Amino acid sequence: AQSVTQLGSHVSVSEGALVLLRCNYSSSVPPYLFWYVQYPNQGLQLLLKYTSAATLVKGINGFEAEFKKSETSFHLTKPSAHMSDAAEYFCAVSEDAGGTSYGKLTFGQGTILTVHP
Amino acid sequence: NAGVTQTPKFRVLKTGQSMTLLCAQDMNHEYMYWYRQDPGMGLRLIHYSVGEGTTAKGEVPDGYNVSRLKKQNFLLGLESAAPSQTSVYFCASRRRDRATDTQYFGPGTRLTVL
Repeated sequence: AQSVTQLGSHVSVSEGALVLLRCNYSSSVPPYLFWYVQYPNQGLQLLLKYTSAATLVKGINGFEAEFKKSETSFHLTKPSAHMSDAAEYFCAVSEDAGGTSYGKLTFGQGTILTVHP
Repeated sequence: NAGVTQTPKFRVLKTGQSMTLLCAQDMNHEYMYWYRQDPGMGLRLIHYSVGEGTTAKGEVPDGYNVSRLKKQNFLLGLESAAPSQTSVYFCASRRRDRATDTQYFGPGTRLTVL
């Protein structure tokens, strides 16, 4: 069974500071990993995804994440936070066990990012 | 191209009432999903569908029913609403072809059960 743990339900940074949101996963097969962002009162929007190609994945809005198999991690980073990055971020895992997983996602608990001026 | 739309956006029910949430997608996606979002718990899968006329249970299916009579629509029903079903409900859709494809989410329905 797959699972995701996001360390820290709330992260607060100053504008211009490094953003680091942590995600660890558990999966019985090679996983596909996703980061989604949710702005207040909106749906989820894909930031980036790991699909077994490059381990360093670049996404929208300057975010990137690195897949580390040995650490079972997929942490999200951004070198310099902007006020507009304030949102809730979700890490998710999907398995493709012979095509029978049907793309089902298992989500982490979410991390609320606050950016201070 | 509207993507994934959900109706209604907000709803307040009394305990025991019933309602249906409608999800529609115009991307010709085979797979569709219903999730509920609760504070501190992320999103949890309620039911999903891999094609017209097919449905399957997810992680938290109790108290919900679904139907997919048309490829573009996925309905979520609550037969007898309970306060524990107060939540934000999201629908998503995805192509079938590749495991790497992305799920696209609707804007959500905020449901309160009194």
